[in-house]
Amino acid sequence: GENVEQHPSTLSVQEGDSAVIKCTYSDSASNYFPWYKQELGKGPQLIIDIRSNVGEKKDQRIAVTLNKTAKHFSLHITETQPEDSAVYFCAASIIETSYDKVIFGPGTSLSVIP
Amino acid sequence: KAGVTQTPRYLIKTRGQQVTLSCSPISGHRSVSWYQQTPGQGLQFLFEYFSETQRNKGNFPGRFSGRQFSNSRSEMNVSTLELGDSALYLCASSLVRGGSSPLHFGNGTRLTVT
Repeated sequence: GENVEQHPSTLSVQEGDSAVIKCTYSDSASNYFPWYKQELGKGPQLIIDIRSNVGEKKDQRIAVTLNKTAKHFSLHITETQPEDSAVYFCAASIIETSYDKVIFGPGTSLSVIP
Repeated sequence: KAGVTQTPRYLIKTRGQQVTLSCSPISGHRSVSWYQQTPGQGLQFLFEYFSETQRNKGNFPGRFSGRQFSNSRSEMNVSTLELGDSALYLCASSLVRGGSSPLHFGNGTRLTVT
């Protein structure tokens, strides 16, 4: 079945530096790739997403890139701030005729040190 | 617009008991998905309901069940609770089927089984 790997599991950066989180997926049929941020005591919240017909998408300090050939996608956060500290989940979505399913990566705990 | 509401926020139950969790989706959202989140297993998909019908189910035993009402509100039931059922249970709603559109998560119900 579909599997999503995510690296690193923990990441610590200095405020103002960039952070990169990488994910790989196994099913080439996946065509929707959202990223979620989960703060302590809250549910995950969508921060950015990308579809398979697009190679890159940017929203202010956050960007996502997708390499369909290699089956991997990455989250880039520039000019990190303490409020970026959270757990980040990537996901890959398979849309099939009878059902669709979202598979999450195991998560990356990001700490931004002031 | 109000977000996804999950009740209760915390529950403590004893092994062998059963529990019902409730989820009110964002107004207009017809799809409701349930996830189990544990430190070791990450976000595990339980099931998805769309228009009162279960459309998809994850790899969980039959003790886990759910339903969706005509107003899209959903409930999840776990019978014969086991210690391993202790987890954060997250509900997410989406405008259309969950695989092709962003998921909007509630803040979860923390279940502790003693």
